[in-house]
Amino acid sequence: DADVTQTPRNRITKTGKRIMLECSQTKGHDRMYWYRQDPGLGLRLIYYSFDVKDINKGEISDGYSVSRQAQAKFSLSLESAIPNQTALYFCATSDLAGGPNNEQFFGPGTRLTVL
Amino acid sequence: GESVGLHLPTLSVQEGDNSIINCAYSNSASDYFIWYKQESGKGPQFIIDIRSNMDKRQGQRVTVLLNKTVKHLSLQIAATQPGDSAVYFCAETGSGSYQLTFGKGTKLSVIP
Repeated sequence: DADVTQTPRNRITKTGKRIMLECSQTKGHDRMYWYRQDPGLGLRLIYYSFDVKDINKGEISDGYSVSRQAQAKFSLSLESAIPNQTALYFCATSDLAGGPNNEQFFGPGTRLTVL
Repeated sequence: GESVGLHLPTLSVQEGDNSIINCAYSNSASDYFIWYKQESGKGPQFIIDIRSNMDKRQGQRVTVLLNKTVKHLSLQIAATQPGDSAVYFCAETGSGSYQLTFGKGTKLSVIP
């Protein structure tokens, strides 16, 4: 079974709709991250969480919100989706105990299309 | 601002040849670097990492070289195979930071 799972894997929605992307992990990691990937722009950090009570904005948090429901779950919401939020979204985890090493483990991604 | 970038967006190599993928970074405080491989339809996967107190690190068929003087990172893949075809990203993190900054990616295509 995959260590980091994302649901849904694909989603098509309309402008103005509220969308939630979910991420679950079985690695027991404290830290979780949400990235978006656009062609030619690499991965950009949206939000990250170092534990259940800790939420931090990343590089491109505008238009997004997150919820860390449990150590294993981190969801990303688009309150009112717009077309330029069409992208591939990745969840990742890393281990607090890893110290300065910050290897992140990625989920399979969610492809979101906003019409 | 600080950034991590790649010199070549695409690279085509013959099967069996060695591949070299380059990455430039601008944050002189960066002290940990990672190479990720992303196959089509999948999330990035860790390949190899290196700390700033090292110049070279070898894995299975892969070697990462770090030149701190010119802020340059490279990934060498020996005897490139069709399964190596993917997009490769470098990523870095600065001292005391746990956030990764990713480069834009290089697409490696292996010609059979």
